Amino acid sequence: ILNVEQSPQSLHVQEGDSTNFTCSFPSSNFYALHWYRWETAKSPEALFVMTLNGDEKKKGRISATLNTKEGYSYLYIKGSQPEDSATYLCAFNSGGYQKVTFGIGTKLQVIP
Amino acid sequence: DGGITQSPKYLFRKEGQNVTLSCEQNLNHDAMYWYRQDPGQGLRLIYYSQIVNDFQKGDIAEGYSVSREKKESFPLTVTSAQKNPTAFYLCASSTYSGGNQPQHFGDGTRLSIL
Repeated sequence: ILNVEQSPQSLHVQEGDSTNFTCSFPSSNFYALHWYRWETAKSPEALFVMTLNGDEKKKGRISATLNTKEGYSYLYIKGSQPEDSATYLCAFNSGGYQKVTFGIGTKLQVIP
Repeated sequence: DGGITQSPKYLFRKEGQNVTLSCEQNLNHDAMYWYRQDPGQGLRLIYYSQIVNDFQKGDIAEGYSVSREKKESFPLTVTSAQKNPTAFYLCASSTYSGGNQPQHFGDGTRLSIL
C-alpha cells in the first residue's frame, strides 16, 4: 500500500487569512495527484487533477502546485472564508489506471 | 441532474447477517469504486470496476463482495465474514481514461452493528 501523507491534520484560521497545507507521496512511478474538498454532510468534490511536474492549477481563491521529483503538492487558499471550512483530501495515482491512494486529509476550520 | 446515488443513508446490521449497499450512477462512467472510511484513516479502497462484468479487489476486500452487471450499478455486499463492518462507505465513479480523471462521489452510507 502506497504511503500518502497530509499535514497538518487540522488547522484553524481566521477569516481573511491565507493558508496552505501539504500532501507528500512517493516520488517514483508518479502518474497523477488529485485534490478533493469534502464539506461536512456532503460528498467529496474534485478540485484539481495534476499530472506534470511544476504544474500549478487555480480555481478562484484556491490553487495547487506539484513537485513530482521530490514528491509533494501544496494547496493554497487565499483570503480564507467560512465556506472554505472542509476537509481537503489528496489522492495519488501511480499506475495510469484509476486506482488511487488517499491521504487522511487536512481539516480546515475558518473562524469568522 | 447527473450524479451518484447511494442508499440507504444509514444501515444497521445484526451479527451474522449480510447487507447490501446500493450505488447507482447516471453519469455514463465506466469505472466505479467502493471506499471505506474509519476515524483517523484515509479513504481505503475495497473494490473497483473498470468495466461491466469486471471488478478487482482493492486494499481491504476481505469480507466484502461486489457485482457489476450493469454500467449504472455497483452494489457492495458486506458479508458476515467482515468482522468489523461499522464504518462510513463511499461509492465513486469516473470516466475510464487513465488515472488523470477526477472521481465523483455519492453521499455515503453509514453502517452500524446492532
